Amino acid sequence: NAGVTQTPKFRILKIGQSMTLQCTQDMNHNYMYWYRQDPGMGLKLIYYSVGAGITDKGEVPNGYNVSRSTTEDFPLRLELAAPSQTSVYFCASSPRDSGRRGQFFGPGTRLTVL
Amino acid sequence: GESVGLHLPTLSVQEGDNSIINCAYSNSASDYFIWYKQESGKGPQFIIDIRSNMDKRQGQRVTVLLNKTVKHLSLQIAATQPGDSAVYFCAENSGGSNYKLTFGKGTLLTVNP
Repeated sequence: NAGVTQTPKFRILKIGQSMTLQCTQDMNHNYMYWYRQDPGMGLKLIYYSVGAGITDKGEVPNGYNVSRSTTEDFPLRLELAAPSQTSVYFCASSPRDSGRRGQFFGPGTRLTVL
Repeated sequence: GESVGLHLPTLSVQEGDNSIINCAYSNSASDYFIWYKQESGKGPQFIIDIRSNMDKRQGQRVTVLLNKTVKHLSLQIAATQPGDSAVYFCAENSGGSNYKLTFGKGTLLTVNP
């Protein structure tokens, strides 16, 4: 299994541009999550999904959108990028039967908005 | 609001010594606590978890202790190695059906050879 994969690894955007961060997992996990990590800080939850077709806001959802059309994919959309969205973005997943015990993380996407 | 925090932001140890990383939590309803290791440029990696009805759990070279009386969590790493150098996060699962985690800020562990 590849686990959780994210693309791209790095991206530089100009203010006002849009982009989609891709996330795919091959573990058949029901639950998927998007976090952002600012320098020297912990992870903050942006959006999460408990299954295909179901998404919900996390702690810091403003400026982002998500969709979950399949179990495997959970893309994160940034509309009108702002410098405050400069961060490292992590996607994670967890299984329904043992998800309370923790999540599996992807390698991250480092985004810079100039 | 509920939060998970760490007492020490940085910890420097000598190779072969034991390391102890501490974490305070405030949500008494949390039922699982998890420790993650994050190496530079990588995503967090699961180390060990502990359920709220336990006070100790051991893994390979790691032990997690949970003190619910003072809402304190610690990660002990035995015979610390240079490869253990990383940022360590504690996280709590506060229950509910969505398995959301609340993360602390992290402790940077540096192992000196």
